[in-house]
Parts: sequence; structure tokens; C-alpha cells
Amino acid sequence: ETGVTQSPTHLIKTRGQQVTLRCSSQSGHNTVSWYQQALGQGPQFIFQYYREEENGRGNFPPRFSGLQFPNYSSELNVNALELDDSALYLCASGPPARETQYFGPGTRLLVL
Amino acid sequence: RKEVEQDPGPFNVPEGATVAFNCTYSNSASQSFFWYRQDCRKEPKLLMSVYSSGNEDGRFTAQLNRASQYISLLIRDSKLSDSATYLCAVNKDTNAGKSTFGDGTTLTVKP
Repeated sequence: ETGVTQSPTHLIKTRGQQVTLRCSSQSGHNTVSWYQQALGQGPQFIFQYYREEENGRGNFPPRFSGLQFPNYSSELNVNALELDDSALYLCASGPPARETQYFGPGTRLLVL
Repeated sequence: RKEVEQDPGPFNVPEGATVAFNCTYSNSASQSFFWYRQDCRKEPKLLMSVYSSGNEDGRFTAQLNRASQYISLLIRDSKLSDSATYLCAVNKDTNAGKSTFGDGTTLTVKP
């Protein structure tokens, strides 16, 4: 086990709603990255947080936002949900040197 | 064209076989490379980093070819438990947390 936890495990929302997903980092890790994985595809990088600041963002619209807290846990918020947001959302934590990352079990989001 | 491309497979091999996957990347300035294993409906798990000199971990060998911009993963003596999707990940710098992933290659090892 990596020690990275995510909640909830599954979530069903309707189009237009907002959702918050949570991630707790592995002990000693201060970097958290979020990825979206649609069915049959590889994970796509959403953004990374390092020391509570956004440290890079992928090609996702501003309705995807995040936070990192002093204990290095993190949230991913998605506003105005669209059907295409249905996916597995993965967070990954990494050590200060950021040379590796370890994934949590993911949150499976279904937007109806 | 995708930044990172993999043959989706599936690769169906008998136990004990040797199988190799390639992953090509388009950004010649890429700095760090990884292979992950993902079981069905589970999270990716880091299998190995890929170094310029190549590296081996038991039955698994990873190599990097910068000139041709691809990385490879060789699995020797395949086990049933090796059945999974293998994802390659490429990074523009040494920050592993901003990876661009391929869509994965599916391997099924049969008795």
C-alpha cells in the first residue's frame, strides 16, 4: 500500500453540480498531483500542488480547481459538471525531490 | 498525434514467454521516464523508472532510446500475475508528478 488515501471512493452527480474530492498524502510527501483517467485512456495531468501552491497545470479549464493544506492533504473541486467529467480521479503524492509519485486508489465519478 | 503513444494490444502470451512493449514520445526534451502497472479498476502502481543506461528489476528490464525517442519494457518468464495494463509516463523535467501518460498496453498471460 502506498499510504495515499482518497475519498469518496465513488460518487454520482448530475450535470451542472459541483464536486469536491479529497486526498491524503503519504507521510513525508509534500507534493500532490491530480489526474483524470477516462475509460480506456491513460491518466491526464490536471495540476500539481507543492507547498500549498499550484505548481503546474495541464490542459483543463478553470472550473477544475484545487487546494493543498498545511498537512499536505489536498482537494480537487470541479464546478459546473459535464457528462465528460465522468472518470476516475487519481491523486498522487510525491517526496520533496519529486522524483517519484505514488497513486491513491482513486475516486470514480459518474455525471448523469 | 499524441505526445506519448503505446500499442494498445492486447498482447496475449503463454506463461513463461518473453514479451516487450514500446512507448514512443514526441518531446525530445523529455527528462524522466517511468513504467507503471495498472490492474483493472485499480490505481497505477510504479513499476520502474527508466534510466539512460537501462535498468533491470528481476524479470523486468527497461530501456531508453533517446535518439529514436522511445522507451521499452521487457518482461521475461511471464507469470499469470503479470496480466495487467502497462502505462508509460514521460516528464518534461525530473518532476515525476507532471507526467504525460500513454493509453497503456494490455497484457494477458495465459496458462
